Amino acid sequence: DAGVIQSPRHEVTEMGQEVTLRCKPISGHNSLFWYRQTMMRGLELLIYFNNNVPIDDSGMPEDRFSAKMPNASFSTLKIQPSEPRDSAVYFCASSQGDSGNTIYFGEGSWLTVV
Amino acid sequence: AQSVTQLDSQVPVFEEAPVELRCNYSSSVSVYLFWYVQYPNQGLQLLLKYLSGSTLVKGINGFEAEFNKSQTSFHLRKPSVHISDTAEYFCAVTKAAGNKLTFGGGTRVLVKP
Repeated sequence: DAGVIQSPRHEVTEMGQEVTLRCKPISGHNSLFWYRQTMMRGLELLIYFNNNVPIDDSGMPEDRFSAKMPNASFSTLKIQPSEPRDSAVYFCASSQGDSGNTIYFGEGSWLTVV
Repeated sequence: AQSVTQLDSQVPVFEEAPVELRCNYSSSVSVYLFWYVQYPNQGLQLLLKYLSGSTLVKGINGFEAEFNKSQTSFHLRKPSVHISDTAEYFCAVTKAAGNKLTFGGGTRVLVKP
C-alpha cells in the first residue's frame, strides 16, 4: 500500500504568499484529518472530513486557513496569506470506518515561512 | 472534551534497560486510547490501542500498555529497549463514539549505548 501521500514534503515561502498543501488518503478510507505540529503547541487537529464533508473545523486557526476535499482521493490545505507563525509540520491522516479504527499518517509537509 | 497529559517530556535510557512512559487522560465519557511513535523526520505510526476488553494491550516492536480506569492512566512499557527505539512517543485519546484524536505533548526517548 502506498500509504497517505503528502506534497510538497518541504516548502520555504515568503510571508504573504499563498501556500497549498496536498494530500492523497489511503484508498478506501472515508475519514481524512489535517494536523499541525509545532514545538510550542504540539499536535493539533485542524480539521477533519468524513465522506468528503467537513465535520469539525474548530481547530482551524483563522480565516487565512481553508481546507477542501473535492473527492475521496484528494484534499488540500491552503494558507493565504502565509505568516512566519504558520511555520510547522502539517500532517494529513486517514482512516476507514468507525471510531477506534487506526488513523494512518502521512510523512508530513514541512513549511517554513520567512 | 478529552485531554491527555504525558508526564515526562524526555526519558533517557540505556540500551537493554526497561522503559515506562506515563500517560494520564481526562474525560467525562468512555474513551479509546492510543500510543503512536514518531521517528525523526517521519509521520506518526500506531504502536497499540485500547478499545475494550483486556486492559493489557500488546503492540508492535515489543511494546505494551495497561489501561487503568480508576487511575485514568495508559502507561506504555517495554522491558528491553534498543537503539532503534529512539523516537518521540505520543499518547492520544478519542471519545468512544468519535474519531477525533487528542494528543499529549509527547515524550522523547533517547536510548544510549
